[in-house]
Amino acid sequence: NAGVTQTPKFRVLKTGQSMTLLCAQDMNHEYMYWYRQDPGMGLRLIHYSVGEGTTAKGEVPDGYNVSRLKKQNFLLGLESAAPSQTSVYFCASSYRDRGPGANVLTFGAGSRLTVL
Amino acid sequence: EDQVTQSPEALRLQEGESSSLNCSYTVSGLRGLFWYRQDPGKGPEFLFTLYSAGEEKEKERLKATLTKKESFLHITAPKPEDSATYLCAVHVRSNFGNEKLTFGTGTRLTIIP
Repeated sequence: NAGVTQTPKFRVLKTGQSMTLLCAQDMNHEYMYWYRQDPGMGLRLIHYSVGEGTTAKGEVPDGYNVSRLKKQNFLLGLESAAPSQTSVYFCASSYRDRGPGANVLTFGAGSRLTVL
Repeated sequence: EDQVTQSPEALRLQEGESSSLNCSYTVSGLRGLFWYRQDPGKGPEFLFTLYSAGEEKEKERLKATLTKKESFLHITAPKPEDSATYLCAVHVRSNFGNEKLTFGTGTRLTIIP
């Protein structure tokens, strides 16, 4: 049982480059989320999805885009990376027992991104 | 603005030395409070959910409690494998129906053998 799998685990980008982080879950969860974690700050929600084909903005969406073409996958894209996007990114998923902020989250292991 | 504050930032304990971690919150419309454990280089792992003041939950050496203003994570006779960062998060639902989960910055717990 893999749970939530993120790829890649590490990536170094130059300012202005683009990239996509991939998240896959095998638990048949309806909801999926992308968070970023920075030193001295709590996890902050970037975007989330309540179902296949739907996405919504979270707390810090600027500079990111997402897509959920399949229920099990949630992609996070950076079109033009900036040093301020250096962070550890976590994907999470949950069942649809309650609203998007209320469910127990299962997290992936994280993707560490450095933008030079 | 909703705020979640965890204290202390870091805590070092001897093996077997019991203590408590604090999560205080200033929010309106609290719907639930979550505790997660995060090991270095890994994602957070769910521990507990508390929904109402007075509620308590236990798991092995950990017990979580909730009041109207704060939550405590009590750790009894900790072992080195309990070393981790412990995160709390509050679920809030506004009058407009918007839901939000706000995380604290965590307490880094180190248990010394």
